[in-house]
Amino acid sequence: AQRVTQPEKLLSVFKGAPVELKCNYSYSGSPELFWYVQYSRQRLQLLLRHISRESIKGFTADLNKGETSFHLKKPFAQEEDSAMYYCALSSGNTGKLIFGQGTTLQVKP
Amino acid sequence: ETGVTQSPTHLIKTRGQQVTLRCSSQSGHNTVSWYQQALGQGPQFIFQYYREEENGRGNFPPRFSGLQFPNYSSELNVNALELDDSALYLCASSLAGPESEQYFGPGTRLTVT
Repeated sequence: AQRVTQPEKLLSVFKGAPVELKCNYSYSGSPELFWYVQYSRQRLQLLLRHISRESIKGFTADLNKGETSFHLKKPFAQEEDSAMYYCALSSGNTGKLIFGQGTTLQVKP
Repeated sequence: ETGVTQSPTHLIKTRGQQVTLRCSSQSGHNTVSWYQQALGQGPQFIFQYYREEENGRGNFPPRFSGLQFPNYSSELNVNALELDDSALYLCASSLAGPESEQYFGPGTRLTVT
């Protein structure tokens, strides 16, 4: 079955601390993986995708096919990073997204 | 370039009624996907439309149906509403293909009483 698992509902860190939001997936083919973010009172938006291998707002994510993981990392958290983060898998030719349950990142001053 | 818009913002319906939610795609996009997001959960794929044809469906009953119009705007219709249909309904537009970024609307909050 195709599935995305985000084991932490809430991750709370202090400003300047490293952040790692975990994401594991189950997929039988070659996955297209994404991180979406939703800031307070804003719509869901793409943060980054594994295919582009870029760093957005200091965040990076590496696809590890052996561990079937796509963890999101940032070396130094900022207060403005506080948001809900969703890991998502693009499935099949339609590109339908399978989302995890989301992790709320809270960065304390 | 205008973003994805949805209407209404929120509405309240009674069990057994029917509802229509609307979505306007971002300019230039030919694909619309609909998602249901229950409280505390991630969005769940309902179906996708590409050039006015259904192009994939999630695990939702037939009382969830949709339309896409020539201008690529879209409707989600839900018949015989149930209490569990209460959720945030998200529309996302994109170009075709699994690698395309999906641009989400602000959502419609549906409450079924």
